[in-house]
Amino acid sequence: SQTIHQWPATLVQPVGSPLSLECTVEGTSNPNLYWYRQAAGRGLQLLFYSVGIGQISSEVPQNLSASRPQDRQFILSSKKLLLSDSGFYLCAWVEKNHNTEAFFGQGTRLTVV
Amino acid sequence: TQLLEQSPQFLSIQEGENLTVYCNSSSVFSSLQWYRQEPGEGPVLLVTVVTGGEVKKLKRLTFQFGDARKDSSLHITAAQPGDTGLYLCAGAYGNKLVFGAGTILRVKS
Repeated sequence: SQTIHQWPATLVQPVGSPLSLECTVEGTSNPNLYWYRQAAGRGLQLLFYSVGIGQISSEVPQNLSASRPQDRQFILSSKKLLLSDSGFYLCAWVEKNHNTEAFFGQGTRLTVV
Repeated sequence: TQLLEQSPQFLSIQEGENLTVYCNSSSVFSSLQWYRQEPGEGPVLLVTVVTGGEVKKLKRLTFQFGDARKDSSLHITAAQPGDTGLYLCAGAYGNKLVFGAGTILRVKS
């Protein structure tokens, strides 16, 4: 069966520090992968998506970047965090050509202090 | 610009009442989905609607896809406190999977 792992669950980082959030998927191959950010009680803002290794599409210009070094690994990074980067980050995968049902990780609560 | 507009943003009702949540767009979607999310967790899929005019029922939840495939609604009959949560609609726009802003539902006992 397919599973998705996202870590860490919570993170407190100082302003100006780097960030690396990792997401890995098991049980599927060549999925579409997504990073979202969510403000409290609100919808999901699409940050990046990837349709294959090394292919990254950025939705919102900001202080973050994403990489997909392997088929089932998606990494969200920042060189220098800002206070506004605080939020709940969610990784998701979708099987191609399959009515776009998305499966989500448990999320990372990032607080920049 | 939000591709999917959801309304209302917040709904607080008494147990046993009915409610409807709306998801609208000016774009045509091949399918729309509804998710429910608990605090601190990822969203979980409730249903996918694919055909214009389609109606799907999931116990007390009824989902409808508009004839033009630009809008959808979620109707809950006799709401229960366990229905409390954030309801999100979503649709694929090419390879993007975009979400509405969500409806926070609170059902009081």
